[in-house]
Amino acid sequence: AQSVAQPEDQVNVAEGNPLTVKCTYSVSGNPYLFWYVQYPNRGLQFLLKYITGDNLVKGSYGFEAEFNKSQTSFHLKKPSALVSDSALYFCAVRDLDNFNKFYFGSGTKLNVKP
Amino acid sequence: NAGVTQTPKFHILKTGQSMTLQCAQDMNHGYMSWYRQDPGMGLRLIYYSAAAGTTDKEVPNGYNVSRLNTEDFPLRLVSAAPSQTSVYLCASTRGEYGYTFGSGTRLTVV
Repeated sequence: AQSVAQPEDQVNVAEGNPLTVKCTYSVSGNPYLFWYVQYPNRGLQFLLKYITGDNLVKGSYGFEAEFNKSQTSFHLKKPSALVSDSALYFCAVRDLDNFNKFYFGSGTKLNVKP
Repeated sequence: NAGVTQTPKFHILKTGQSMTLQCAQDMNHGYMSWYRQDPGMGLRLIYYSAAAGTTDKEVPNGYNVSRLNTEDFPLRLVSAAPSQTSVYLCASTRGEYGYTFGSGTRLTVV
């Protein structure tokens, strides 16, 4: 079975500083990994995905994620945080047996302080 | 292009009542899903449908769905219980690009 874990319920960072939101995965084959963001009272929005290829994936709003196979991680990063980045972030993995099923982590609340 | 539309946005239901949450997408996506979102629990898959005429469930009881056409995927709570208080998210996908989500229905069962 596929799963992802987000070890931090909350991440606090000052505006202008780099940010990292952590995600680790457990899959039986090659992983298909995703990051989504949820702003207050909104649905989830797709940020970026890793299917294959370069380990550094670039996405929306200046975010990027680094795929590390040896550490089974897919951490979300941004070089310089904005207050407007404050939101709930979810990591997800696609089920390899049922290609249209996704499993989500528990979410990490990112707080960017001015 | 509206994407995924969910109605209502908020609702309060009494224990034992039934209700249908509406979900519609206009992207001609074959695959649609319902998730519930609870604090600290992330998103949990309730039901999914690979195409019109097919549905599969992930959780055993309390919910029903139908998929009569490509666009609509309503979720029915048969006899509401307080444990079903949650935010319900509908999503659709063509497959390779991940989900497009609706804005959710916040349901409270009292």
